[in-house]
Amino acid sequence: DIQMTQSPSSLSASVGDRVTITCQASQDIHYYLNWYQQKPGKAPKLLIYTASNLETGVPSRFSGSGSGTDFTLTINSLQPEDLATYYCQQYHDVPLSFGGGTKVESK
Amino acid sequence: QVQLVESGGGVVQPGRSLRLSCAASAFTFSSFGMHWVRQAPGKGLQWVTFISYDGRNTLYADSVKGRFTISRDNSKNTLFLQMDSLTPDDAAVYYCAKDRRPYVDFWSDSLDSWGQGTLVTVSS
Repeated sequence: DIQMTQSPSSLSASVGDRVTITCQASQDIHYYLNWYQQKPGKAPKLLIYTASNLETGVPSRFSGSGSGTDFTLTINSLQPEDLATYYCQQYHDVPLSFGGGTKVESK
Repeated sequence: QVQLVESGGGVVQPGRSLRLSCAASAFTFSSFGMHWVRQAPGKGLQWVTFISYDGRNTLYADSVKGRFTISRDNSKNTLFLQMDSLTPDDAAVYYCAKDRRPYVDFWSDSLDSWGQGTLVTVSS
């Protein structure tokens, strides 16, 4: 099974900050990587698919990059509504697997 | 706007069964593969199972293989998850989610729409 490791597990940031979350796969997954946002008590929401493609309706301050085993989610100019937990997910192989999550909190 | 509404969660004793449903609307349900993903209280997301758009192909996580069965009724726009031999480790919020691309025999790329989830509690 492919293991997905996110770092950090949590971070504190201020409105306007640039936030970077990393995700590492236990083997080469090419670009088969998605990012989701989850707010407390809510369902996950797709942000980025296939490593760098912005889902329709997602603000352009979100961006994704990477390939192989190392990936990054960047939030440029953090907004209050971006406080949430973020998950990466690989779809290179079954079982599909998620990272452990990164909780973005207000500093 | 895509809508997915799960139901059927509740409290069940270890070893018993439960059947979850997911009612889909505002998209052509029969064209898309569907997933179940679960989240234990305070924990991360865990993919559980997938079914292709036509129901011919199914995939399961090892932790539920042989105990859970995914199925769908395209005439009623409804997805199901039959859960047997439940254990406390199965306690979670269960989400149904839509695969992003249509007419794919296995998973495509992302899960682009999710329901609000239904809570399953396994306790004696």
